[in-house]
Amino acid sequence: DADVTQTPRNRITKTGKRIMLECSQTKGHDRMYWYRQDPGLGLRLIYYSFDVKDINKGEISDGYSVSRQAQAKFSLSLESAIPNQTALYFCAIRVLGEKLFFGSGTQLSVL
Amino acid sequence: GENVEQHPSTLSVQEGDSAVIKCTYSDSASNYFPWYKQELGKRPQLIIDIRSNVGEKKDQRIAVTLNKTAKHFSLHITETQPEDSAVYFCAATPSGSARQLTFGSGTQLTVLP
Repeated sequence: DADVTQTPRNRITKTGKRIMLECSQTKGHDRMYWYRQDPGLGLRLIYYSFDVKDINKGEISDGYSVSRQAQAKFSLSLESAIPNQTALYFCAIRVLGEKLFFGSGTQLSVL
Repeated sequence: GENVEQHPSTLSVQEGDSAVIKCTYSDSASNYFPWYKQELGKRPQLIIDIRSNVGEKKDQRIAVTLNKTAKHFSLHITETQPEDSAVYFCAATPSGSARQLTFGSGTQLTVLP
């Protein structure tokens, strides 16, 4: 079975700080995604990657950057965190066609 | 790009009744429509999906219907149980080679005992 691990599970940071959220998977799936969840707004795509050399912006990429360090690792960075980036962040991998398998999420609070 | 609208945002039903959640999409080329369920504090998980060459799909108490002409699709849950209480998200794939999902805003379903 696929497994996606996100670290940390919770993070509190201050405005202006740089922060990195990490994601790793165990099965070597090519496609990895970062989504942001806000109440009433659903899941919005930040970045996605089809392989180590293929990184693409999603609908809300401003203020974020990503790194695909290896096939199994996809990190999301906030260069200078701001309060409206407080949200629940999910990493996901594509399995079996278009189906997504999500990690457990990272709750980020920016004060 | 694709735009997916989902209604209602909240839905309360009595245990044993049926629940229906509706979504509309904008891109007529979209051809894959999954539904995800997110229990409190958990990750979203796929519960059922449908492709545009099929009008209806069932899996035990849940079913999804698709109307390509009207560009809307719906999730039907029959004989609801307390464990059905969760947030449900619909999604659709836009056209193009990237084929990443666009999600609706979610429906909080509460099944009352």
